Amino acid sequence: DAGITQSPRHKVTETGTPVTLRCHQTENHRYMYWYRQDPGHGLRLIHYSYGVKDTDKGEVSDGYSVSRSKTEDFLLTLESATSSQTSVYFCAIIQTGRGGRTEAFFGQGTRLTVV
Amino acid sequence: DQQVKQNSPSLSVQEGRISILNCDYTNSMFDYFLWYKKYPAEGPTFLISISSIKDKNEDGRFTVFLNKSAKHLSLHIVPSQPGDSAVYFCAAPINNDMRFGAGTRLTVKP
Repeated sequence: DAGITQSPRHKVTETGTPVTLRCHQTENHRYMYWYRQDPGHGLRLIHYSYGVKDTDKGEVSDGYSVSRSKTEDFLLTLESATSSQTSVYFCAIIQTGRGGRTEAFFGQGTRLTVV
Repeated sequence: DQQVKQNSPSLSVQEGRISILNCDYTNSMFDYFLWYKKYPAEGPTFLISISSIKDKNEDGRFTVFLNKSAKHLSLHIVPSQPGDSAVYFCAAPINNDMRFGAGTRLTVKP
C-alpha cells in the first residue's frame, strides 16, 4: 500500500460530457501514472507525471488530459467522453527501492461507463 | 507496440494441480520482470519478480522462471488454490514506465 486513493470509484456519464478522475497519494512520490485496463489489452499507459506541472503522454493519450498542481494529486480529464473510453482506470506510482527493485503500486481503480 | 505479451487470455486448473502462466517479451533492454495479481474491483498487487541475472525465483507456492534466450518467462503456482483465481499480469519496467502484458485469467476449480 503506497497511500494511493482514487475517486470516484464508479461513475456513469453520458457521451460528450467532461469527466475528471482524481488520484491522491500521501507519500510524496514524484512519479504518478494513469493506466486504463481493457480486456485483451492489459494495462495501458495514458499519461504520467514526473513532478508538479510536469506531465507527458503515454501510448493511449488521445482524448485525455492531465494536471498536477500539487505533488499529492494527479487528475485525469476526459474532455468529451466517448463510449470507447468506458474502462477501468488505475492510478499508480512506480518506485525503485534501494536494492534497485522497481515496483508499481496501484490505487483501487475507477470504473467509468460512458453511455 | 506491445513489448510484453501474454497470449493465453484464460487458464483453468483443478485445485491442487500446477498452474503455469506464460509471458513473452520483445525488448532486449528489459532487465527485470514482475508478476502482478488482480482480483475483481481491486488494483493489481505485486506477486513476485525476477532479475535478468537469474533464471529462477521462488516464493512459497510461486516460482517464476526466466529464459532470456527465448525472451520468455513463466509463473508456476503449485499447488493451485481456489483463492489464486485472479487475473495475472506480467510486467517489465523501462524508462520510468512499466509495460504490462494483456493478462491471463486463472480459474482454480475446487
